[in-house]
Amino acid sequence: GAVVSQHPSRVICKSGTSVKIECRSLDFQATTMFWYRQFPKQSLMLMATSNEGSKATYEQGVEKDKFLINHASLTLSTLTVTSAHPEDSSFYICSARGASNQPQHFGDGTRLSIL
Amino acid sequence: AQSVTQPDIHITVSEGASLELRCNYSYGATPYLFWYVQSPGQGLQLLLKYFSGDTLVQGIKGFEAEFKRSQSSFNLRKPSVHWSDAAEYFCAVGGDDYKLSFGAGTTVTVRA
Repeated sequence: GAVVSQHPSRVICKSGTSVKIECRSLDFQATTMFWYRQFPKQSLMLMATSNEGSKATYEQGVEKDKFLINHASLTLSTLTVTSAHPEDSSFYICSARGASNQPQHFGDGTRLSIL
Repeated sequence: AQSVTQPDIHITVSEGASLELRCNYSYGATPYLFWYVQSPGQGLQLLLKYFSGDTLVQGIKGFEAEFKRSQSSFNLRKPSVHWSDAAEYFCAVGGDDYKLSFGAGTTVTVRA
């Protein structure tokens, strides 16, 4: 149980393109979803927290106009990287949490490469 | 503010030997503590968690961890390592808002 699916697993696109990443909880309802960014050989940095039906809460230093998060249902959250540039290239990972006292379950991540 | 320190960047262990990964945390109240494992290019898999109760927590794949409040530690152990345990291990701390802070990670290499 507690499977989180993230799609696509890898994206390569040109600078200036907008890219959407989907995160789905397959077998549970996700009260909260989280988006992380991970640089090579480094830990995960929380970008934002989203609750279904409300605006995402962004961590300090994360541009909300650059990284648009939508959590329209209890099983789906999307991260859109708008007008992506090479410095946005990274590994993006989502996680989802169900009821209270449940841990976060992670997707397999999306490798984003901007040329 | 919450934070996690994993003092060991890289550990090499022989297959069949025991493994212990260290984790120290800083948190103002009773923490929620987690260990996750990440294989290259993959997401994170939960090994075990501590919310309350018994301070010795059993997880998947034969791992266990012990919460020691006096030492602000949550070290991960496995009695006998398998080659498939080679991966990156992350300790994380969170609170009632369930936002997690991760340590820098420990890379485990298993030699035959």
